[in-house]
Amino acid sequence: AQSVTQLDSQVPVFEEAPVELRCNYSSSVSVYLFWYVQYPNQGLQLLLKYLSGSTLVESINGFEAEFNKSQTSFHLRKPSVHISDTAEYFCAVQTNFGNEKLTFGTGTRLTIIP
Amino acid sequence: GAVVSQHPSWVICKSGTSVKIECRSLDFQATTMFWYRQFPKQSLMLMATSNEGSKATYEQGVEKDKFLINHASLTLSTLTVTSAHPEDSSFYICSARVLAGEADTQYFGPGTRLTVL
Repeated sequence: AQSVTQLDSQVPVFEEAPVELRCNYSSSVSVYLFWYVQYPNQGLQLLLKYLSGSTLVESINGFEAEFNKSQTSFHLRKPSVHISDTAEYFCAVQTNFGNEKLTFGTGTRLTIIP
Repeated sequence: GAVVSQHPSWVICKSGTSVKIECRSLDFQATTMFWYRQFPKQSLMLMATSNEGSKATYEQGVEKDKFLINHASLTLSTLTVTSAHPEDSSFYICSARVLAGEADTQYFGPGTRLTVL
């Protein structure tokens, strides 16, 4: 079975400052990795995903995440945050053996301070 | 593309009543849909996997008779919370699976907030 750990439950950041949201996973088999964002009272939206190939993946709104197999991490970063980035961010893992279940971390609430 | 809707967005009901929540894939067909439950300030917990035309697969600890799932068409899955009690109050989120190359991707609905009085 796989598991996901998001080390920070809350991260306050000043506007235009950089941010890193940490995610570590545990699995005995190869996995796919995802970051989802949840705005207040809404469902989850896929932010980015790592399937294979380049370990650095990017989203259209400036976020990026890097898959580090040796450290079993998939941290999410943005060099300059905006007020609109305030949301809950979930890291998720899925095995790549045809098992379609997603296992989620507990989430990190990102709060942007004006 | 890949839009998933849920109805209702919120519902308040009395203890002992049943509540039906609909999950629809609006612009694609989904052979598999998932139902999650999210408690305040917690992560999503998978309740069951819903496959079109067959019985749902429930996660360990989820009562099949209490959370009835029907996936009668490729665009609609329903979750019925039977004889709801206050402890069933939660945010229920569905997702629909889309095959995308090497891995499937799940697209999530906006969620339904259930409050049982």
